[in-house]
Amino acid sequence: AQTVTQSQPEMSVQEAETVTLSCTYDTSESDYYLFWYKQPPSRQMILVIRQEAYKQQNATENRFSVNFQKAAKSFSLKISDSQLGDAAMYFCAYRSGVETSGSRLTFGEGTQLTVNP
Amino acid sequence: DTGVSQNPRHKITKRGQNVTFRCDPISEHNRLYWYRQTLGQGPEFLTYFQNEAQLEKSRLLSDRFSAERPKGSFSTLEIQRTEQGDSAMYLCASSPGQIYNSPLHFGNGTRLTVT
Repeated sequence: AQTVTQSQPEMSVQEAETVTLSCTYDTSESDYYLFWYKQPPSRQMILVIRQEAYKQQNATENRFSVNFQKAAKSFSLKISDSQLGDAAMYFCAYRSGVETSGSRLTFGEGTQLTVNP
Repeated sequence: DTGVSQNPRHKITKRGQNVTFRCDPISEHNRLYWYRQTLGQGPEFLTYFQNEAQLEKSRLLSDRFSAERPKGSFSTLEIQRTEQGDSAMYLCASSPGQIYNSPLHFGNGTRLTVT
């Protein structure tokens, strides 16, 4: 079974600074997808960024980028120019590339990000 | 696209009572998922549907839990004989199954408190 681990329960960053959230995962599969989701206090989970395992290039979405290290099974999220609205719980998630898995997600424990003005 | 809708937002019930939650996915999304999230933890997969067929159930889904999606549109999750350990946020998500790597869209969840 796949597992996802986020070793930082809490992180804080100053507004306009850069912060990196860590995520490691364990899988025996070669084809899979990785995601970072954001869950603000309103509780609705929002997709931040995703990475296909077969792509070597790290995904980037505006101020959000990932450092995907497939051999190390590491998938960290970098938030540049942090904004107050970035404050939320961030979840790393894994999805198998096997169609029969139904594309369900396995989530990590989450990292609570605080942005200080 | 009105998003995934879940009702009720909050439910308080006494131990031993039955409760039912409803999820309305994004229209034309044929995959629907239920997750459970306890405070400070990541969501845990419960079950998923492709159209009206329930294709997978987690071992977390005891026999007190049942989910349906009768016409492949909305879904209900029922918990019978609730226990205090059932207190959690129940999240519903949907995705267009025709596009395998499309992300899941989550609702706001139903927070269940069992007293």
